[in-house]
Amino acid sequence: AQTVTQSQPEMSVQEAETVTLSCTYDTSESNYYLFWYKQPPSRQMILVIRQEAYKQQNATENRFSVNFQKAAKSFSLKISDSQLGDTAMYFCAFMEGGSEKLVFGKGTKLTVNP
Amino acid sequence: DSGVTQTPKHLITATGQRVTLRCSPRSGDLSVYWYQQSLDQGLQFLIQYYNGEERAKGNILERFSAQQFPDLHSELNLSSLELGDSALYFCASSVVGESDTQYFGPGTRLTVL
Repeated sequence: AQTVTQSQPEMSVQEAETVTLSCTYDTSESNYYLFWYKQPPSRQMILVIRQEAYKQQNATENRFSVNFQKAAKSFSLKISDSQLGDTAMYFCAFMEGGSEKLVFGKGTKLTVNP
Repeated sequence: DSGVTQTPKHLITATGQRVTLRCSPRSGDLSVYWYQQSLDQGLQFLIQYYNGEERAKGNILERFSAQQFPDLHSELNLSSLELGDSALYFCASSVVGESDTQYFGPGTRLTVL
């Protein structure tokens, strides 16, 4: 079974600085998808970014970008120019190609300090 | 706002009772997923429906059941409730299913006393 590991339970960063959240996963499949979801205090699960394993290029969405290292099975999220509204739990998630279910990590609680 | 709606937002009930959680997917989405988020188990996939048919099953207890109706809304039924069923229950939807991005609703907070 696939597993997703987020080794940093909590992190903090100063406003306007850059922070990187780590995620590793374990799979024997070659076709899969990776996601980062954000859960602010409102509890809503919000999609941040998606990466297809077959794509060489790292995904980017505005201030959010990923460093996808397929051989190392690593999928880290970089947040640039951190804002107070980025304070949230961040979940890394894995989906096997052809599957319907997301497998989530335990999450990293990120606090952005003014 | 993801476009996925869930009702109710909060539900407080007693052990042994039965409750129904409701979800309406985004317009055009055919797949609905249910997830449970609890402190000890984290986020876990429960079940998926695609266009009215059960498509995939995860760690769903036998006391739990779900269905998807012709108008594509879905209901999750939880019966013989136990204290450990207290959790946040999310519904998500996607266009088709396989390999699709899932968009989550705001969740239903269930408290079993």
